[in-house]
Amino acid sequence: DAMVIQNPRYQVTQFGKPVTLSCSQTLNHNVMYWYQQKSSQAPKLLFHYYDKDFNNEADTPDNFQSRRPNTSFCFLDIRSPGLGDAAMYLCATSRAPGAGGYEQYFGPGTRLTVT
Amino acid sequence: AQSVTQPDIHITVSEGASLELRCNYSYGATPYLFWYVQSPGQGLQLLLKYFSGDTLVQGIKGFEAEFKRSQSSFNLRKPSVHWSDAAEYFCAVATLTGGGNKLTFGTGTQLKVEL
Repeated sequence: DAMVIQNPRYQVTQFGKPVTLSCSQTLNHNVMYWYQQKSSQAPKLLFHYYDKDFNNEADTPDNFQSRRPNTSFCFLDIRSPGLGDAAMYLCATSRAPGAGGYEQYFGPGTRLTVT
Repeated sequence: AQSVTQPDIHITVSEGASLELRCNYSYGATPYLFWYVQSPGQGLQLLLKYFSGDTLVQGIKGFEAEFKRSQSSFNLRKPSVHWSDAAEYFCAVATLTGGGNKLTFGTGTQLKVEL
């Protein structure tokens, strides 16, 4: 089945120690998104890639970066995690809106704990 | 700016009873609306979507939603709730941005099902 895969499902990192979360997709979608979801809150978009074009949300902290080396993979890098960055990180994909791609397909998420 | 309001933070229903979850949106143009469901520790699963056309849309797991432009609402309904429906439900509106689309979510409604 075509899907969005996130690894690892659970990640523990130390305060200030860089961490990378991974997302891959077999849907061949043009667009990949990263959302942050804190406990009991709605997901919040951090940034997205349309093909190789990176689009950052205005209020996303500089501490968060992303890479998309190819169509299938996208990474979320947190350069110096703080306690406030503990959250569920959700990856999603969609086709380009011009191709009717408004719905997004989500992976299972990575739960990040910062100690 | 677009926004989504889910007035009910928690709802408890008995198994077999009907369900309606409320969603109101604020968006200047024709909205692209979604309902997603999230089980604990999991990603988001798309239940249904509205883009245009018939204002009553059918989704998976027996859910339906009705788009009412005059009331700026997109309420989710199910005639008979099953215990497995206990989860968090998010209403969302999509807006085009940077070659992709941004989902703005409501704060979610936590559904509890009593046996």
